[in-house]
Amino acid sequence: EVQLVESGGGLVQPGRSLRLSCTASGFTFGDYAMSWVRQAPGKGLEWVGFIRSKAYGGTTEYAASVKGRFTISRDDSKSIAYLQMNSLKTEDTAVYYCTRDPITMLHDYWGQGTLVTVSS
Amino acid sequence: EIVLTQSPGTLSLSPGERATLSCRASQSVSSSYLAWYQQKPGQAPRLLIYGASSRATGIPDRFSGSGSGTDFTLTISRLEPEDFAVYYCQQYGSSGTFGGGTKVEIK
Repeated sequence: EVQLVESGGGLVQPGRSLRLSCTASGFTFGDYAMSWVRQAPGKGLEWVGFIRSKAYGGTTEYAASVKGRFTISRDDSKSIAYLQMNSLKTEDTAVYYCTRDPITMLHDYWGQGTLVTVSS
Repeated sequence: EIVLTQSPGTLSLSPGERATLSCRASQSVSSSYLAWYQQKPGQAPRLLIYGASSRATGIPDRFSGSGSGTDFTLTISRLEPEDFAVYYCQQYGSSGTFGGGTKVEIK
C-alpha cells in the first residue's frame, strides 16, 4: 500500500525557516518524481514544486510564488522528500501535501498534509 | 501560465442526479494533460481522472472525463452520497495549475 506521511509543520515567525519531510513507503521511491502542493485555509490547491527522479536528473521546478525561497530535495536511500522553506511569509500559511507523481505534476497519491502557520 | 476556470462554483443536486462540471483553459492543454481530483472536508485530494478521460485506479465508472484543447468536462452519472465534495481540475503539462474548484452540494 502506498503511503506518504508528512511531518515538520508548525508555527513559525515571518522571515524564519522550516523544513518539511515526506516519508514514503509501499513503492520504489526512487522511480518517481515527487511534488509538494499546498492549500491555504479555506482556499484551493496550489502546486509548489517538484523533484524529478534520479533517472531524469533529479532536477527541480518551482512555482513563481516560492522560487528562490523554497528548495525540494530527496534521499532515495531513506525514501524521504524534503521541502526547505526559507524567508517565510504570512501568505505561506497552508496545509502542505506531498504527492507521488507518475508523470511530473500528476499527483496519484497524496499524504495527509501538515499545517504550516506563519505568524508573529 | 495556463489559467483554468471551473464552472459552476457550486452545484446543488440530489442523490441519483447527474452532475456535469466544466473546466476551461486559457490556452490549449498539451497532450490532454488534464486531471480531476475530488476533495472531501478534512481530507487530502484524490485523483479521479487523468489524461482528460482515463479513470485512476479504483475510481467507479460513474465518473467520466471528456474534452480536449481548452474545454474539459467531468461527469458523475448518478450521484452517490459520498460524491458530495469539491472537485478540482488541473493541467500537468506546464506549471501544474489547478482550477478554483466546484463544490457539489446536496440540494
